[in-house]
Amino acid sequence: GAVVSQHPSRVICKSGTSVKIECRSLDFQATTMFWYRQFPKQSLMLMATSNEGSKATYEQGVEKDKFLINHASLTLSTLTVTSAHPEDSSFYICSATSLGAYGYTFGSGTRLTVV
Amino acid sequence: SQKIEQNSEALNIQEGKTATLTCNYTNYSPAYLQWYRQDPGRGPVFLLLIRENEKEKRKERLKVTFDTTLKQSLFHITASQPADSATYLCAFPLTGGGNKLTFGTGTQLKVEL
Repeated sequence: GAVVSQHPSRVICKSGTSVKIECRSLDFQATTMFWYRQFPKQSLMLMATSNEGSKATYEQGVEKDKFLINHASLTLSTLTVTSAHPEDSSFYICSATSLGAYGYTFGSGTRLTVV
Repeated sequence: SQKIEQNSEALNIQEGKTATLTCNYTNYSPAYLQWYRQDPGRGPVFLLLIRENEKEKRKERLKVTFDTTLKQSLFHITASQPADSATYLCAFPLTGGGNKLTFGTGTQLKVEL
């Protein structure tokens, strides 16, 4: 079945530094990838949608200069949290889909802690 | 605005019983609805998709219903097992959002021995 690999699973960084999270579709070509963040006991909040080779589309209220998304190939999308602050601490999850796919495949998530 | 509601209280049931989880929505008529399972610290896993013209969909011990009149989907797990303990999320596509999904807050299910 479709597999999405997300790395790292956990990261702790200092305030003001940048962190890159990778999301790879291992056995299929992902036409679209989505990035979500999730706070404890809350639902997934869609941050942005990325299509290979084009600029990401950000949801209202998400700072595109802070959360940089690159979708360089059909199997790789990256999310970079720039100048991270403690309020950026959260669980970030990517998902991928392809044309005609039945359901969405999610990565295992990245727990970001900014200290 | 579109709204999805799932019972935020955890559902505790005994092993072997049928668990029933509810997903209600308002101000929307989705073409389909999906259910996912999420374990702590993990990403969601796709379980089932049901379309608006389907009243019921089954997969092994899972059954999903979709009532477009009541604007409600029910998710059933029969012969529940402790391994079924997780949070279950319903999701549907955003209006005009192409293939973007919006998720409910999820209901935590605990199956006890």
